[in-house]
Amino acid sequence: DTAVSQTPKYLVTQMGNDKSIKCEQNLGHDTMYWYKQDSKKFLKIMFSYNNKELIINETVPNRFSPKSPDKAHLNLHINSLELGDSAVYFCASSQDIRVQSTDTQYFGPGTRLTVL
Amino acid sequence: QKEVEQNSGPLSVPEGAIASLNCTYSDRGSQSFFWYRQYSGKSPELIMFIYSNGDKEDGRFTAQLNKASQYVSLLIRDSQPSDSATYLCAVKEEKLVFGQGTRLTINP
Repeated sequence: DTAVSQTPKYLVTQMGNDKSIKCEQNLGHDTMYWYKQDSKKFLKIMFSYNNKELIINETVPNRFSPKSPDKAHLNLHINSLELGDSAVYFCASSQDIRVQSTDTQYFGPGTRLTVL
Repeated sequence: QKEVEQNSGPLSVPEGAIASLNCTYSDRGSQSFFWYRQYSGKSPELIMFIYSNGDKEDGRFTAQLNKASQYVSLLIRDSQPSDSATYLCAVKEEKLVFGQGTRLTINP
């Protein structure tokens, strides 16, 4: 059983398009995250939701909009895609970021987005 | 100043030797520290976490934390070719802040 799953695994699209990436976790965790990993492998948090509530919103263009229909799902919608959006996007989940200082995050397999 | 700094490498170590990976962080209030391993094209996976000063051992891996010096390290004993990967140091503040990673290559 896959603990944190993402779809699609690869996404190739043209500039200006709108696309979505879906994430699901079956670990029963309360907190989910979106990270962006650029070409230099730098992994940076974008958003975090705890039980469907947005708790972390980093300085991300408002073209990026997360949606959490329930605590097991966190989707990422990107409008008007730009070349600089090309990266690998990782979803992750953890028990509860607010409670445990040693809260371990589990990562999904990643979605490689290429904007042409 | 970057919040979490690692030497990006590449770090090359002969098989069977000890690989030493280092990380410094800027927030003195940080409480928890994590080491993740990421194989090329794969997602990060947790190796260890540490939150008390001193050493924590798990198999061939030892994490070392020195909060006074704001320094955390990972030692890999008896290095194997399968240990070749990028190692990410992460520090828990309100969120998890990652270093840029150190690429480690174990040479047979």
